[in-house]
Amino acid sequence: QVQLLESGPGLVKPSQTLSLTCTVSGDSISSGLYYWSWIRQHPGKGLEWIGFTFFTGNTYYNPSLKSRVTISIDSSKNHFSLILTSVTAADTAIYFCARATLLLSEPFQNWFDPWGHGTLVTVSS
Amino acid sequence: SYVLTQPPSVSVAPGQTATISCGGNNIGGKIVQWYQQKAGQAPVRVVYDHSDRPSGIPERFSGSNSGNTATLTISRVEDGDEADYYCQVWDDTTDLNVVFGGGTKLTVL
Repeated sequence: QVQLLESGPGLVKPSQTLSLTCTVSGDSISSGLYYWSWIRQHPGKGLEWIGFTFFTGNTYYNPSLKSRVTISIDSSKNHFSLILTSVTAADTAIYFCARATLLLSEPFQNWFDPWGHGTLVTVSS
Repeated sequence: SYVLTQPPSVSVAPGQTATISCGGNNIGGKIVQWYQQKAGQAPVRVVYDHSDRPSGIPERFSGSNSGNTATLTISRVEDGDEADYYCQVWDDTTDLNVVFGGGTKLTVL
């Protein structure tokens, strides 16, 4: 059974860098079958895709966050990470990691399954 | 960017049928994923493509997709179906490739 578990600080100061890790068990990040993703949810709001990465380093990012986001993989530790720079209160959210399937032949589609439980990150001084 | 529009809320009595819509420009030409998110939990995919279900999802959950509207249908609604439901598509026409709808809160009366 594939499981994902987010970890990282729950509190980050404004203008600093948010850093989270997602540890994967039951699957190999470098299998070449899946992308590895971050999605966030502002308190009481909907889901916002942040981006995902493939073990080769190929990445897709939400253009609204692209200038501040890096998603990277550490195959040796079977985990992947999210770096979000210059955070503000607007970055306060629950951050989920998820495994993504991406099919880039017609009809294009992708989905997220499974997800981690999510971790709340609060940006505050 | 591509936009998916969902009603904020839907209410239904137990045993009845709930329908949740997801509107988007020519969404009938896309593959739609539906996720269920119960309070305090991570989302779970419940329906994909027009009406396929991952293993473990009851047959009460089904979908349809045509024209500008995709629909999630939950038959014989149970108390345990109360949750937020999100539609999601892949869009290759802009840089925002992954698009979620705003979510619909299903309340079981």
